[in-house]
Amino acid sequence: NAGVTQTPKFQVLKTGQSMTLQCAQDMNHEYMSWYRQDPGMGLRLIHYSVGAGITDQGEVPNGYNVSRSTTEDFPLRLLSAAPSQTSVYFCASLGRGRGDYEQYFGPGTRLTVT
Amino acid sequence: AQRVTQPEKLLSVFKGAPVELKCNYSYSGSPELFWYVQYSRQRLQLLLRHISRESIKGFTADLNKGETSFHLKKPFAQEEDSAMYYCALITGANNLFFGTGTRLTVIP
Repeated sequence: NAGVTQTPKFQVLKTGQSMTLQCAQDMNHEYMSWYRQDPGMGLRLIHYSVGAGITDQGEVPNGYNVSRSTTEDFPLRLLSAAPSQTSVYFCASLGRGRGDYEQYFGPGTRLTVT
Repeated sequence: AQRVTQPEKLLSVFKGAPVELKCNYSYSGSPELFWYVQYSRQRLQLLLRHISRESIKGFTADLNKGETSFHLKKPFAQEEDSAMYYCALITGANNLFFGTGTRLTVIP
């Protein structure tokens, strides 16, 4: 299993540009989520999905869209990039086992908006 | 609303010394807590979950509901323990809420 994969690893955008951060998992997990990691702020939930066709907002959803057309993929779209969206973005999926559960994280995408 | 507080942004200890990373939480439901670790240039990974009551890499964490705490402890710190540590709380909707993290540096 590749686990959770993210592309690209790095990206530089100009203010106003749009782009999509890709996330895929091959573990057949129903639950997937996106976080952003900022110094001194920890990780904050942007959007999440409990299954194909179902998405919901997290703590900081403004400026981001998601869709979940398949179980495997959960792309994050920045509609009009702003410098405040400079961050490291992590995708995660939730696995269940032995009565408890663990979130598996992707390697992250470092985004800079100038 | 839920909240996870990690009061120390930075923590430095000498190799072989005990280490304790503090975590306090606020949650109206029955809490399920985790510690995640992020080593340099690596992805976030699960270190401990309170349900399993296990010791991983010498670390332990006990949930204290009276004090609403879930501190991470290790009796003898090693250099390879240097990393960013996040305490996290999971809600009924399976969303993880993270603290702001503590960067642990173990001095040789």
